Amino acid sequence: NAGVTQTPKFRILKIGQSMTLQCTQDMNHNYMYWYRQDPGMGLKLIYYSVGAGITDKGEVPNGYNVSRSTTEDFPLRLELAAPSQTSVYFCASSWGETQYFGPGTRLLVL
Amino acid sequence: QQQVKQSPQSLIVQKGGIPIINCAYENTAFDYFPWYQQFPGKGPALLIAIRPDVSEKKEGRFTISFNKSAKQFSLHIMDSQPGDSATYFCAASDSASKIIFGSGTRLSIRP
Repeated sequence: NAGVTQTPKFRILKIGQSMTLQCTQDMNHNYMYWYRQDPGMGLKLIYYSVGAGITDKGEVPNGYNVSRSTTEDFPLRLELAAPSQTSVYFCASSWGETQYFGPGTRLLVL
Repeated sequence: QQQVKQSPQSLIVQKGGIPIINCAYENTAFDYFPWYQQFPGKGPALLIAIRPDVSEKKEGRFTISFNKSAKQFSLHIMDSQPGDSATYFCAASDSASKIIFGSGTRLSIRP
């Protein structure tokens, strides 16, 4: 089991560029989540999904979009990158209450 | 009401000491209180969790104390080791779909 995998590990974007952060889990978990982690601010929920075809907004969804076409994949899309989106992004999945996190993607928007 | 307040922001303890991290919540609907541990460059991982029907839970050197009336809970690390140096997040949940994280405590254990 690879668990939760995320790509890329690190990316630099220019303001206004778009990109997709990839997340895949091989644990057959129904629930998947995207968080951003800023220094000293903890983890903020961006979007989550309770199953394929179902997504919902979290605490900080503005500037992001998601889709969930399969149980395994939950990509996060940034359409017009802004400096405020510089952060570390974590994908997680769960079956019950325990969330399993990926290694993170560090994004720098300049 | 959805917030979980965590303190301190950072903590330095000598090896063998007992670091204590505190969290407080407002939403009485929360019924699951996990602690996650995060090492640099890694994602958080579940360390220990408690439900409000018990006042204490121990797993190895890690103990959660829970005070339902005060809406507070804390993590104690007994006989702390340099390998325990990490960021610790408390969290709270009222469903399987979402949990609310505290802001994190950066713990450093000095040899």
